[in-house]
Amino acid sequence: GQQVMQIPQYQHVQEGEDFTTYCNSSTTLSNIQWYKQRPGGHPVFLIQLVKSGEVKKQKRLTFQFGEAKKNSSLHITATQTTDVGTYFCAGAAAGGGADGLTFGKGTHLIIQP
Amino acid sequence: DAGVIQSPRHEVTEMGQEVTLRCKPISGHNSLFWYRQTMMRGLELLIYFNNNVPIDDSGMPEDRFSAKMPNASFSTLKIQPSEPRDSAVYFCASRSTGDGYTFGSGTRLTVV
Repeated sequence: GQQVMQIPQYQHVQEGEDFTTYCNSSTTLSNIQWYKQRPGGHPVFLIQLVKSGEVKKQKRLTFQFGEAKKNSSLHITATQTTDVGTYFCAGAAAGGGADGLTFGKGTHLIIQP
Repeated sequence: DAGVIQSPRHEVTEMGQEVTLRCKPISGHNSLFWYRQTMMRGLELLIYFNNNVPIDDSGMPEDRFSAKMPNASFSTLKIQPSEPRDSAVYFCASRSTGDGYTFGSGTRLTVV
């Protein structure tokens, strides 16, 4: 079945440093979504990318979808303590007509003040 | 909008007992999803419904698990009998076609 891999599993950064997490799918995706989960909380939808090579920005967050629609990345510029949490990518397989997303294992972002 | 509502928030039960988790999706959302989250396996899709109809239940681990959606505003996930390895956080999520998921706050299940 479809697999979605995320790296790194954990990332420690100093406050103010940049952060990037990478996502790779074993199959071509129809779209990719990104979620953030705070410790003890639930996943919260951040963004959806649909087009090959698409780049979207939300303030300090930049999301990219690969040309082959099999990989994606999330980059945070100048991290703040409020960015702490786990960032998940989730993809839906292309052509299958399925709505259920396969989630990556997530990247835990730890920020040291 | 109250969001996706799950109950109970926490459940502690003894092995062999029946457990029922409940979910009220956001009004107007036509898809509902049940996920299970553990440290080892991450977020796993168990089953999802479109317009109250089960579409894909291939993620349901065993026959001990069953899910229903009798109407557009209510769904249940039942485990009977429960086992310690079922301990996890169970999330319900809903969405409108093409949108991102809205997750509930989850039910933390502990089977002792």
